[in-house]
Amino acid sequence: EVQLVQSGAEVKKPGESLKISCKASGYTFTSFWLGWVRQVPGKGLEWMAILYPGDSDTRYSPSFKGQVTISVDTSIRIAYLQWSSLKASDTAIYYCARLRGGYSYAPVDYWGQGTLVTVSS
Amino acid sequence: DIQMTQSPSSLSASVGDRVSITCRASQDIGDYLAWFQQKPGKAPKSLIYSASSLHSGVPSKFSGSGSGTDFTLTISSLQPEDVGTYYCLQDYSFPRTFGGGTRVEI
Repeated sequence: EVQLVQSGAEVKKPGESLKISCKASGYTFTSFWLGWVRQVPGKGLEWMAILYPGDSDTRYSPSFKGQVTISVDTSIRIAYLQWSSLKASDTAIYYCARLRGGYSYAPVDYWGQGTLVTVSS
Repeated sequence: DIQMTQSPSSLSASVGDRVSITCRASQDIGDYLAWFQQKPGKAPKSLIYSASSLHSGVPSKFSGSGSGTDFTLTISSLQPEDVGTYYCLQDYSFPRTFGGGTRVEI
């Protein structure tokens, strides 16, 4: 069974750094693209970035390029989303999602449960 | 970026009604269109990909149609468990873009 299990909720102050995780199981980790999606509370979904664990190829949406960094540790089957300096506007739920095939335009099939990040002074 | 416009933004229907949600792309995206359901307080769930293909385990009351710029998600017989927000997503080009969502109520 494919599962994406994300790390728990975080409360941080502006300017702090943060790394959240998405642990995959139930499939060949290096053969499927993974993506990250943001949802500001009460708002819609926004596509952030994708990464291919097989070769660490990464692609960022222009709105998020330079704002976050995605990475992966294939030895432990975990994908990461990190910030070096959080802002209040980063407060949101972040979802990881698996793409159905080994190509960057494959459709999303599985989702993580989401990680709520709250940034407040 | 490709703009995805969903309509209506919300709807209220009765149990057993046939409900349709539309999504319009700002340019031709072929059949690179997916639909998701998000129940209150939960992660999105994948329903349909490639405009009309159901993901494994998705009830057949959900169906998708369309190609090019105009797409439709139909729920054949609305049930209380279908309450939530539905989103479309274009997979045609990067960055992928979601529609604004349609809130479905009973």
